[in-house]
Parts: sequence; C-alpha cells; structure tokens
Amino acid sequence: EAQVTQNPRYLITVTGKKLTVTCSQNMNHEYMSWYRQDPGLGLRQIYYSMNVEVTDKGDVPEGYKVSRKEKRNFPLILESPSPNQTSLYFCASRDRGLQLDFGPGTRLTVT
Amino acid sequence: QKEVEQNSGPLSVPEGAIASLNCTYSDRGSQSFFWYRQYSGKSPELIMFIYSNGDKEDGRFTAQLNKASQYVSLLIRDSQPSDSATYLCAVNPSGGYNKLIFGAGTRLAVHP
Repeated sequence: EAQVTQNPRYLITVTGKKLTVTCSQNMNHEYMSWYRQDPGLGLRQIYYSMNVEVTDKGDVPEGYKVSRKEKRNFPLILESPSPNQTSLYFCASRDRGLQLDFGPGTRLTVT
Repeated sequence: QKEVEQNSGPLSVPEGAIASLNCTYSDRGSQSFFWYRQYSGKSPELIMFIYSNGDKEDGRFTAQLNKASQYVSLLIRDSQPSDSATYLCAVNPSGGYNKLIFGAGTRLAVHP
C-alpha cells in the first residue's frame, strides 16, 4: 500500500529533551515536507526537501532540523524542544504534481 | 505575507442541502488551488484541485475559481453527515513551486 508513515504518533516530552520524529514514504517521491498544524493557524510548512541531500526552510523553521540521507526518509529533529512547539505535525510527500500525500500525524506535547 | 483566508465556521447545513465553502487569497499570481478534507484527528486528504477559471466538477463536488476576484469555492451537493469535517483551502503562490499555503479551514457540520 502506498503510504506515508510517521512515528511516534503521540509524544509527550519535557523542555530541552532532544527528540526525532521519523517520516517514511514508499512511493519513491522526490519531494517531502514537514508541516505543523495549530488551531486557527492552519498548516504551516517547517522544512521541505526536493531530493536526497537537498533541504530548505519553510515558513516556520526555527527550532527544527531535518535531514534527507535517503529518498524514502525525512526525519524531523527538535534539538531542544520548547512548549511553543507543542503541535500536531504532518509529514507529506508528492510526485511531480503539487498534490500532497500526508502521513497520519504526530501529536507532540512539550511540558 | 501571502495569505489564504477561510471562514472558520462551523457551517451548519441540513442533510441533502448544498454546502458552499469559500476561500480568498492575497497573491494575485497564484496558479494552482486545492481543497483538502480533514476529519477530526486525521490527516488532510485531497478532494479536488483547479487551475483554470470556472467550474470543475467531480461527483458531488464542484470547485469554482475566479482569479479576477481572487477567490475559490467548493460546493458540496446532496450533503451527507459523512461530509462533516474541516475543509482546507490551499494555494500555490506565484514563485513558489515548492510550497502550498493553507488556510486555517472551515468546519462543516451536516445534520440529519
């Protein structure tokens, strides 16, 4: 089944404790992206990647890092999480068109 | 800052009625427009996309685009309770091949 997977789906952590949210797709998509979704603000792009070893900032990159060492994986790294990073995170990928395929989401709470 | 605006709702319609969801955007050069549906606690899923002025129909859904007025709308005919969800409008801005800008969404409630 063609899909985007994310892990973990739910995470509660404390301020300053480094964490990684994994994202993987099995559709051989070149483009992958991370979004956060907050009430009233909609989906905002954090980082995106056009291909292996090519990443770029989105609209809200502060406090996040990404890497793209393999085509299928695009992990999101929070080196020192803070409470304002409490959010619902979505990984997405796409082929050459603009239609995104979203993962199931990761609900992160930072206390 | 390029923006996409939607009424947050909730938009409440009776079963069988037409639901009309609207979206306005600020970047006049935007080229591509998308409607996603998001059920509570789930990820967004693409319903329709439209590139050209006018209407595009797919089953019970019709997307309407008016570039001169900078709005795009989604009509849902014969609304069903299963259509109850948040509908996200997304726009590909000019010069931004790599991104979609999303509105905050309109919550639709279809009551029996």
